Amino acid sequence: EAGVAQSPRYKIIEKRQSVAFWCNPISGHATLYWYQQILGQGPKLLIQFQNNGVVDDSQLPKDRFSAERLKGVDSTLKIQPAKLEDSAVYLCASSLNVAGATNTGELFFGEGSRLTVL
Amino acid sequence: DAKTTQPNSMESNEEEPVHLPCNHSTISGTDYIHWYRQLPSQGPEYVIHGLTSNVNNRMASLAIAEDRKSSTLILHRATLRDAAVYYCIPQIYNQGGKLIFGQGTELSVKP
Repeated sequence: EAGVAQSPRYKIIEKRQSVAFWCNPISGHATLYWYQQILGQGPKLLIQFQNNGVVDDSQLPKDRFSAERLKGVDSTLKIQPAKLEDSAVYLCASSLNVAGATNTGELFFGEGSRLTVL
Repeated sequence: DAKTTQPNSMESNEEEPVHLPCNHSTISGTDYIHWYRQLPSQGPEYVIHGLTSNVNNRMASLAIAEDRKSSTLILHRATLRDAAVYYCIPQIYNQGGKLIFGQGTELSVKP
């Protein structure tokens, strides 16, 4: 079974530039998550989708971050304009069960996209 | 949100059992307890989860206190490959079942 695919694995940009990350979840998984992990910290949930609808985006800095999940499959996370503090690993995860259920079961994570903002 | 408390770091010897504790005194009765681990330069990996009774799988065992205010992840025989950061995470039922990671416990395994 193919895992969660993310690209690019690494990206270096200058502040005020824009960047986009792509995620392809495991086939059939209803729920998709984007997490931000700053070095030395645990992952922080940015946004949670169920199919192509947003379940939770309370921690997403909406002035610069945006995310979409067209057709309920692939997802894109964009940052525009980037700041130095956005340097982090951006992790995508998916789960089979429906968000809002008492138990979404196991989350499967991708390897992440490492962003460096200079 | 339910908060968790885990030791920052723990050490273990190879082939010995490891007990990783977690306090989650503010958890609600419908919040599942998840454990994930993260090896260096990799995304988090699911280990185990449970609600009330103890759970076992091929990776580990999860012992949940009767009052559900704490739980313990048990690795029966630690290997060098088990060196990772282990996260104890309540799954918040009334917030869409989201998983909020804390700082975790960094486990080192000595040969």
